[in-house]
Amino acid sequence: QLQLQESGPGLVKPSETLSLTCTVSGGSISSNNYYWGWIRQPPGKGLEWIGSIYYSGSTYYNPSLKSRVTISVDTSKNQFSLKLSSVTAADTAVYYCARRGITIFGVVNLYWFDPWGQGTLVTVSS
Amino acid sequence: DIQMTQSLSSLSASVGDRVTITCRASQSISRHLNWYQQKPGKAPKLLIYAASSLQSGVPSRFSGSGSGTDFTLTISSLQPEDFATYYCQQSYSTPFIFGPGTKVDIK
Repeated sequence: QLQLQESGPGLVKPSETLSLTCTVSGGSISSNNYYWGWIRQPPGKGLEWIGSIYYSGSTYYNPSLKSRVTISVDTSKNQFSLKLSSVTAADTAVYYCARRGITIFGVVNLYWFDPWGQGTLVTVSS
Repeated sequence: DIQMTQSLSSLSASVGDRVTITCRASQSISRHLNWYQQKPGKAPKLLIYAASSLQSGVPSRFSGSGSGTDFTLTISSLQPEDFATYYCQQSYSTPFIFGPGTKVDIK
């Protein structure tokens, strides 16, 4: 059974860089067709997709965060990571990692997020 | 960006009720629509993908329908464990956008 687990500091100071790692177990991060992503949820608010990465290192990011985000992958450790620079209080959120799966209907690719990690709360405060 | 709206931010229902949650996209997304359930303090869980395909292990009382811009998640007979917040999400184009959520609570 595929499982994802986020890890990293729960408190980050304003203007610093938030760094999180997602460890994948029960399956290989190098599986074909699957991307791996980060999604966040500020307390009491909705979900925001941050970006995704393929095991080859190919990435795509939410334009609203692109200037501050870097997602990387370490296939030897079955992990992928998130770095978000110049954080402010607005970046306080529960950060989730998730697999972006794919279903192919004919020539149409449909994507979905499953499974998700349990999430980790990151608070930005001095 | 494609924006997603959910007409109700919350609704109250009783066990056994048929519940319908709606989601609308700002432009046609064909069937590129997923539904998630989130309980307090937990990660979202995929219920429906591709607008109407039931994710493995999800009870059959959940169903999805729609295409284009208008979509529906239906719970045929609400169970106690179904009280949660439900999010739609478009996967037609990036950035992947989630709806604001509909919270289903006990009447």
